[in-house]
Amino acid sequence: KNEVEQSPQNLTAQEGEFITINCSYSVGISALHWLQQHPGGGIVSLFMLSSGKKKHGRLIATINIQEKHSSLHITASHPRDSAVYICAVEMDSNYQLIWGAGTKLIIKP
Amino acid sequence: DTGVSQNPRHKITKRGQNVTFRCDPISEHNRLYWYRQTLGQGPEFLTYFQNEAQLEKSRLLSDRFSAERPKGSFSTLEIQRTEQGDSAMYLCASSFYSTEAFFGQGTRLTVV
Repeated sequence: KNEVEQSPQNLTAQEGEFITINCSYSVGISALHWLQQHPGGGIVSLFMLSSGKKKHGRLIATINIQEKHSSLHITASHPRDSAVYICAVEMDSNYQLIWGAGTKLIIKP
Repeated sequence: DTGVSQNPRHKITKRGQNVTFRCDPISEHNRLYWYRQTLGQGPEFLTYFQNEAQLEKSRLLSDRFSAERPKGSFSTLEIQRTEQGDSAMYLCASSFYSTEAFFGQGTRLTVV
């Protein structure tokens, strides 16, 4: 079993829909990161969380430390949100990032 | 400061050749990370530095791989005697201790 599990692996939705991507982990962490990767490889950090909830524009990230679960939400989705969204956890023992496999999101106009 | 910079962006090399990549982190960041990403997979941790000290090294990093950060600023990742399986995107990231990490655009290596 992978230490970081993301679901779904692939998600296709219509423009305007509310999107949820989930991340579960099994190790002790000091922080959890949500990142966005576009075709061509560039990675952009969206959020870094250690507790609670963060919001940036149409993006919301939540984390439940007790349940070892985090969600990334996108409100009023737009085709430009199409990308791979990656959850990565920072281990509390050595600060190494362990990555989920990513969720490929396609938003159709 | 324009963020994390990686050079070159693309590298094509023949099997058996040595290659070196460079990463310039954000100037005030003391931590620097190297990751490798193959097609369709999430990034895999290779190694990380805090200042000039290499604190962690993945088992993925065979003896052919070496990374340095001599003055605690830029870092180089060298692959000796490249193999086709080394073809991947090599990503560098930097952070100030455990704050948010910022990524470079990556170096795409193709070994032919």
